[in-house]
Amino acid sequence: GEDVEQSLFLSVREGDSSVINCTYTDSSSTYLYWYKQEPGAGLQLLTYIFSNMDMKQDQRLTVLLNKKDKHLSLRIADTQTGDSAIYFCAESFLMDTGRRALTFGSGTRLQVQP
Amino acid sequence: DAGVTQSPTHLIKTRGQQVTLRCSPKSGHDTVSWYQQALGQGPQFIFQYYEEEERQRGNFPDRFSGHQFPNYSSELNVNALLLGDSALYLCASSLKWDQPQHFGDGTRLSIL
Repeated sequence: GEDVEQSLFLSVREGDSSVINCTYTDSSSTYLYWYKQEPGAGLQLLTYIFSNMDMKQDQRLTVLLNKKDKHLSLRIADTQTGDSAIYFCAESFLMDTGRRALTFGSGTRLQVQP
Repeated sequence: DAGVTQSPTHLIKTRGQQVTLRCSPKSGHDTVSWYQQALGQGPQFIFQYYEEEERQRGNFPDRFSGHQFPNYSSELNVNALLLGDSALYLCASSLKWDQPQHFGDGTRLSIL
């Protein structure tokens, strides 16, 4: 079945760049997503990329997609303490009805040291 | 423009009881999906509603049921609660089924 994997933890210093990696399995994915979850909160949609794209940039966020290796990464430039959170990679997968739902990784906890 | 809203924010129940969670989608969104997030894990897809019908279901037992109303709001019902049902229940809405899903802050359900 569908599987999304992420590393569990990343620690960076304030001002550095953060790179969070993810691998996915569904070759029919149309969209791949990055969500942010702060303690006690729901999921905030950060950015997404269509599977026919290689890269997408949105202010401090850069998403890179390697379709051959089914590898997705999220780069956060000039990481701030407010970026400390859990980041989830998600792929939309095709179900029997032809509709799509999301499969999530277990999340990467980003800790930003001041 | 209100985002996805869920109620209640927290709920404590005992084993065997039944619970109803509520969700109002983001304005303009017609599709509602429900997810269960156990502690330390990513969300898992429960089911999706569109045009007041369950359109797709994940790997969850029939104890989990739902409803969508004409105004697109939705309810998640869980019967015969088990300790393992303790989790954060997230509602997500989208315009159609293949557009980005926006999440609410969830309902934290604790089973004693």
